[in-house]
Amino acid sequence: AQTVTQSQPEMSVQEAETVTLSCTYDTSESDYYLFWYKQPPSRQMILVIRQEAYKQQNATENRFSVNFQKAAKSFSLKISDSQLGDAAMYFCAYRSYQGGSEKLVFGKGTKLTVNP
Amino acid sequence: DAGVIQSPRHEVTEMGQEVTLRCKPISGHNSLFWYRQTMMRGLELLIYFNNNVPIDDSGMPEDRFSAKMPNASFSTLKIQPSEPRDSAVYFCASSLFKMDQFFGPGTRLTVL
Repeated sequence: AQTVTQSQPEMSVQEAETVTLSCTYDTSESDYYLFWYKQPPSRQMILVIRQEAYKQQNATENRFSVNFQKAAKSFSLKISDSQLGDAAMYFCAYRSYQGGSEKLVFGKGTKLTVNP
Repeated sequence: DAGVIQSPRHEVTEMGQEVTLRCKPISGHNSLFWYRQTMMRGLELLIYFNNNVPIDDSGMPEDRFSAKMPNASFSTLKIQPSEPRDSAVYFCASSLFKMDQFFGPGTRLTVL
C-alpha cells in the first residue's frame, strides 16, 4: 500500500520569504500523480499543485513550485514570496489506482504559519 | 460554476441518533468520494463511486455507515446509530475519472 509522510508537523516563515515543505512517499507503481492541497481555517481543501510522475519537469503554479525527485520518492513544495494568506495546513497526497479503485492517500499535514 | 455542495455544514447530534450527510458533485463529474478527517487518523477515504456505482467501500468503518448514490447529482452518507467516535469532518469530493479531485466544504459532525 502507498504511504505518504510529512515529517514537519509545523513550519513558520516570514512574510515575503521562501519556505519549503517536505514530503516523501512509498509506492511500487511507476506512473502516478502527486498533489499538494491547502486547507485554511475555513477547512476547505484547495488543490495547490499537481505533478505527474512521468514528467521530469517540476510543476510550477505562480509562487508555488515543487521539487520532484522520483528515485528518492521525494516531493517538496516551495512557496516563494510568502503571503499572510498562505497560512494554512498543507497536505501532500498520492493518487492511487488499485483493483479498479481510485483514491487519494494523504500525509498528516504541515501547519504553516506566516509571520508579518 | 458551482463547486461540490455539502449539507449540512455543521451537525450536532446525540449518541444513537441517525445522521445523514448530503453531497451534490460538480455537474458532469462521474467519480465521487467520501473522506473523513480526524486528528488521530488524518484524511482517509471511506467510499468511492464511479458512474453512481460503489467501487470501493473498504474504508467504511463498520456496518453503521452506509452510502448511496441514487443518481449522478446526489449522494448520501448515513451513520446509524451514531457514536461519539464518529465525530469528524466529512468531505465529499468529485472528479472526472482519473482527473483532479475537487472537495466540498465539508460537514463537521459532533456526536455527544
